[in-house]
Amino acid sequence: DTGVSQDPRHKITKRGQNVTFRCDPISEHNRLYWYRQTLGQGPEFLTYFQNEAQLEKSRLLSDRFSAERPKGSFSTLEIQRTEQGDSAMYLCASSPWTEKGETQYFGPGTRLLVL
Amino acid sequence: GDSVTQMEGPVTLSEEAFLTINCTYTATGYPSLFWYVQYPGEGLQLLLKATKADDKGSNKGFEATYRKETTSFHLEKGSVQVSDSAVYFCALSGTGGSYIPTFGRGTSLIVHP
Repeated sequence: DTGVSQDPRHKITKRGQNVTFRCDPISEHNRLYWYRQTLGQGPEFLTYFQNEAQLEKSRLLSDRFSAERPKGSFSTLEIQRTEQGDSAMYLCASSPWTEKGETQYFGPGTRLLVL
Repeated sequence: GDSVTQMEGPVTLSEEAFLTINCTYTATGYPSLFWYVQYPGEGLQLLLKATKADDKGSNKGFEATYRKETTSFHLEKGSVQVSDSAVYFCALSGTGGSYIPTFGRGTSLIVHP
């Protein structure tokens, strides 16, 4: 059973640089979610896909953030012109959309530090 | 909007002590309720869930009952182990036609031998 994987696990960058994260969901899951988590907080929703369609984005997601899920498989999250406030753990989760109480399967996260 | 409130941590217990982590929620309609656990260095994983009022979710000795009248979903375990040390997140989803979950801030549990 291969779970959700994320790459890289850690990223250190300088302010103003662009970064891209990858998420590989569980293969049969058609929903994929991105979250941001800061210290002492729960995951904060950023965006989600059903197959290749991006269905919803959080109002908190600035124009510097973009996500794609080509072909409905893996997904990428890009942050342009990073700022120190972008430092956080970025979590990816996938789920099989079958019922109201769908379980989310999380990856280990990518920890971003913007200097 | 929907919200989840958890008791603040850290909760510090000795091994074999009784655990309660409180969770209350505000939501429209009838959400599904979840407890997720995050061990150090790992992603969140589902611990248990309940999809309708009066349902009890249980797993690994943990239990939580969906109480609609008090809008609560408190997590309990009769005898904790050192290996239960982790951060526990209460969450809800499925309100207003949206399946996007809302998470609480998490409660850190530390169990001493």
